[in-house]
Amino acid sequence: EVQLLESGGGLVQPGGSLRLSCAASGFTFSSSAMSWVRQTPGKGLEWVSAISGSAGSTYYADSVKGRFTISRDNSKNTLYLQMNSLRAEDTAVYYCAKDKGYFDRFDPWGQGTLVTVSS
Amino acid sequence: QSVLTQPLSVSGAPGQRVTMSCTGSSSNIGAGYDVHWYQQLPGTAPKLLIYSNSNRPSGVPDRFSGSKSGTSASLAITGLQAEDEADYYCQSYDSSLSGVVFGGGTKLTVL
Repeated sequence: EVQLLESGGGLVQPGGSLRLSCAASGFTFSSSAMSWVRQTPGKGLEWVSAISGSAGSTYYADSVKGRFTISRDNSKNTLYLQMNSLRAEDTAVYYCAKDKGYFDRFDPWGQGTLVTVSS
Repeated sequence: QSVLTQPLSVSGAPGQRVTMSCTGSSSNIGAGYDVHWYQQLPGTAPKLLIYSNSNRPSGVPDRFSGSKSGTSASLAITGLQAEDEADYYCQSYDSSLSGVVFGGGTKLTVL
């Protein structure tokens, strides 16, 4: 069974940093593109970033470009999202998701981790 | 405001058929990119419901169906059940934004 388990969320002040992790199991992690998607009550679902299986290619939404960095450690079957210069509008539940292909469907999703940016 | 437009809410009685739309533009749905649909039950993560416009993943009942035409897509649910009460999101790719885009979601209420 494919499983994704996020961790690392929490409360952080504006301008601060946080690193999210997503532990994957049940599939060949190194062969799968992965994405981060966030959800806020006001804006619904928003794709944040994607990374190829080899980590050779990365993609970002304009809203996070230059502030967030996606990476992966295939030896640990783990996906990461380094978030710097955090803003109030980054407050959301962050999900990791397995991509069928680049910019394709997401299946499955992790359970999500809440990031709150507030002073 | 989401790139893909969905109605905020739809409702129906048990056993009825409901449909919900997902309207895009020439840079996403109208450009031929696939539309995928997700169901999000309260307090849970989104779950893939329909992929590539009209295909159901294993385990999804055939009461759920999807279609696409022009710059829009639709999700239909027949034989509505109380357990179908959830939020539904459409997703596609947008060439102008060079990224994945979602609809704002439709809340389905089973009366």
